[in-house]
Amino acid sequence: GENVEQHPSTLSVQEGDSAVIKCTYSDSASNYFPWYKQELGKRPQLIIDIRSNVGEKKDQRIAVTLNKTAKHFSLHITETQPEDSAVYFCAASISSGNTGKLIFGQGTTLQVKP
Amino acid sequence: NAGVTQTPKFRVLKTGQSMTLLCAQDMNHEYMYWYRQDPGMGLRLIHYSVGEGTTAKGEVPDGYNVSRLKKQNFLLGLESAAPSQTSVYFCASSYSTLGAYEQYFGPGTRLTVT
Repeated sequence: GENVEQHPSTLSVQEGDSAVIKCTYSDSASNYFPWYKQELGKRPQLIIDIRSNVGEKKDQRIAVTLNKTAKHFSLHITETQPEDSAVYFCAASISSGNTGKLIFGQGTTLQVKP
Repeated sequence: NAGVTQTPKFRVLKTGQSMTLLCAQDMNHEYMYWYRQDPGMGLRLIHYSVGEGTTAKGEVPDGYNVSRLKKQNFLLGLESAAPSQTSVYFCASSYSTLGAYEQYFGPGTRLTVT
């Protein structure tokens, strides 16, 4: 079945450094790739997403890149701040049927040390 | 505009008891989803619905039932709770126009089964 692998599971950086989280997906027909941020005890919230007709998307300090050939996409956070500390999830759309279903990676716990 | 709401926020059940979790959304979304979140396992889809009166199984449906009698509500039932169902449960909803879109999550229900 469909699968999304996310690495690393934990990431610790110094404030001001960059952080990169990587995901690979198995369904070659997936066409929507969102990233969610979940702070402790809160709900997941979308921070950025990308569709398969675009290779890169940026929003201030956050960027996502997509390599369809390799079935690989990554989240890049520059100039990290303590408030970036959270769990980040990648996801990929499931192509079979018009259901809007997403399959999520296992999550990355990002710690930004002041 | 409350978005997606869930009740209750917390619940403790004894093995074998039953309960229903309620999800409500006021965004007129067609698609709704129930996930469970366990440490290190990301968000796993339990059941989903693509419209009023329709439901379908997700990745981990065993031990759960759902109903979508009204477009704005999606109920998750546990008929005979087991300790393995101790988890945080999230409901989500999304638009349905041509493919996958952002899923909006509720605040979650923390369930403990003893």
